[in-house]
Amino acid sequence: DAGVIQSPRHEVTEMGQEVTLRCKPISGHDYLFWYRQTMMRGLELLIYFNNNVPIDDSGMPEDRFSAKMPNASFSTLKIQPSEPRDSAVYFCASSSGKGRGGNEQFFGPGTRLTVL
Amino acid sequence: AQSVTQPDIHITVSEGASLELRCNYSYGATPYLFWYVQSPGQGLQLLLKYFSGDTLVQGIKGFEAEFKRSQSSFNLRKPSVHWSDAAEYFCAVALTYNTDKLIFGTGTRLQVFP
Repeated sequence: DAGVIQSPRHEVTEMGQEVTLRCKPISGHDYLFWYRQTMMRGLELLIYFNNNVPIDDSGMPEDRFSAKMPNASFSTLKIQPSEPRDSAVYFCASSSGKGRGGNEQFFGPGTRLTVL
Repeated sequence: AQSVTQPDIHITVSEGASLELRCNYSYGATPYLFWYVQSPGQGLQLLLKYFSGDTLVQGIKGFEAEFKRSQSSFNLRKPSVHWSDAAEYFCAVALTYNTDKLIFGTGTRLQVFP
């Protein structure tokens, strides 16, 4: 298995532009997580899905952020409009949710977002 | 509220020295426990995990961790550190009544001197 795939790996954009981050979870995993990592705030859980349904989006910073999971193999995190304070590394992770080891999360390589 | 504490933000050791990274959790029952490592520019990789049974858990890259219920701790150890171990280490817990999510600590950055 290729693991969790994220694209793009790096994104540089200007303030006000729309940004879309993409994630393909490990096949067969029922849970998908979006995290944000910054020096100031560390690793933050933004939102997670179970069977394509958002379960907890309490970590989404504000209405500028939205996430979707149209099918089991694809999710997007969108920021519109983007702001410089959104600059961070965004990670996607997935887990099977099955059995006692089901909550082990597998992380993608991350997308480094820079908003100028 | 449940929480995970990693008291050491930054640790520096010499190559070949032993290492112990601390992790404490706050939870009424025994959670599921994890250690992840993040190398520079990379995602998080699982080092080891504890669910039940033997309280000394072996992981990848020569790491081990010991669960101590009385101290609510799950410290990570390595007898001899290599320069390639320089990374950030995260302790995480999953609550047994809500195993969907992991609660991460703030991380410990390990620096290794030759």
